[in-house]
Amino acid sequence: DAMVIQNPRYQVTQFGKPVTLSCSQTLNHNVMYWYQQKSSQAPKLLFHYYDKDFNNEADTPDNFQSRRPNTSFCFLDIRSPGLGDAAMYLCATRRDMVQPQHFGDGTRLSIL
Amino acid sequence: DAKTTQPNSMESNEEEPVHLPCNHSTISGTDYIHWYRQLPSQGPEYVIHGLTSNVNNRMASLAIAEDRKSSTLILHRATLRDAAVYYCILKSDNAGNMLTFGGGTRLMVKP
Repeated sequence: DAMVIQNPRYQVTQFGKPVTLSCSQTLNHNVMYWYQQKSSQAPKLLFHYYDKDFNNEADTPDNFQSRRPNTSFCFLDIRSPGLGDAAMYLCATRRDMVQPQHFGDGTRLSIL
Repeated sequence: DAKTTQPNSMESNEEEPVHLPCNHSTISGTDYIHWYRQLPSQGPEYVIHGLTSNVNNRMASLAIAEDRKSSTLILHRATLRDAAVYYCILKSDNAGNMLTFGGGTRLMVKP
């Protein structure tokens, strides 16, 4: 059974039109992450939450924001998507600092 | 986090053992060695991790050099389902919660 669920698997949006990607988890983990993975590249961390504490990576564009309304859900908001934001977006969770991360299967975002 | 170096790609025959190397010459004493793999069209999946001693689990074995400057992920009998990109990542529990992925090794398994 999927424990980190990302919906939808594929998302298409228009250039400049805001889009929200969602992630839910059934693991009750404290930490949730968002990664961006462009074609043939390794995943790159955008930001993470430790409980309600938000941690932004220094090079994450301002265009990207996140919300975590409760333990189970986390959202990635892209305010004005550009063509360069087309990528796979991966959500991951972790119970604490010593446990492995559990990844969802990602949402592939296309920009028209 | 310290840097890791892996070959870009490797090939293996089905049902043969595979040894995936990783160099991490600047590893610090608090760095754990983590391995994740990413199958096509899926998110990364945890494989194994260790600090100093060799580790075994149901998926793989991790052999860590005595000086900890290199490690090898061992798949004992490769199957077609093991074709994936394998990432070797150093993670210090003093350095926060994030994983920093390097380039990884693309493993191709031939029938």
